[in-house]
Amino acid sequence: GAVVSQHPSWVICKSGTSVKIECRSLDFQATTMFWYRQFPKQSLMLMATSNEGSKATYEQGVEKDKFLINHASLTLSTLTVTSAHPEDSSFYICSARRTGGLSYEQYFGPGTRLTVT
Amino acid sequence: KQEVTQIPAALSVPEGENLVLNCSFTDSAIYNLQWFRQDPGKGLTSLLLIQSSQREQTSGRLNASLDKSSGRSTLYIAASQPGDSATYLCAVTNQAGTALIFGKGTTLSVSS
Repeated sequence: GAVVSQHPSWVICKSGTSVKIECRSLDFQATTMFWYRQFPKQSLMLMATSNEGSKATYEQGVEKDKFLINHASLTLSTLTVTSAHPEDSSFYICSARRTGGLSYEQYFGPGTRLTVT
Repeated sequence: KQEVTQIPAALSVPEGENLVLNCSFTDSAIYNLQWFRQDPGKGLTSLLLIQSSQREQTSGRLNASLDKSSGRSTLYIAASQPGDSATYLCAVTNQAGTALIFGKGTTLSVSS
């Protein structure tokens, strides 16, 4: 159990358009989900913490109006990159913390490769 | 602010060698530490998790140690195999239920 999926696995979009990435916990409920971004040969950097039914908490330097996060249910969080630019091209990974589970349990999705042309 | 550093950034070894990957963190008040494996273009696979009260964890050919007081962890891989080739990431959490803080990883290449 404890599977997290992301959709799409990869996406190419044109500069100025918006793209939505989904993160789903398939077999458990997740009150909290985390969104990370990874640039080539760099570490994963936390972008925001998403809590079901409330506004996301963004890390310093992450534009909340550009990276819209919605956690409308206990199994789904979405990240929308608005007005994408080539510098937004990156690998986006989500993780989900099981509701009521052990506090350290986080399960990672397989990631979404975004390329903005 | 917690920072995680991994040394070396890259490592190449012949098959069969034992090797050690290093991870250090600046704030010793961690909740737990995890080692992950990441294959190119893929997500993360959790390898070992060490709680702050523990000193080591073992899984198969992998052994991870934790020295909180010195802010260090090592991942020991015994009898390396080409299939071990990947990037190994070290990550810590400072509080229960919070996000992970990652190092940049060590890219391991095991040649046959």
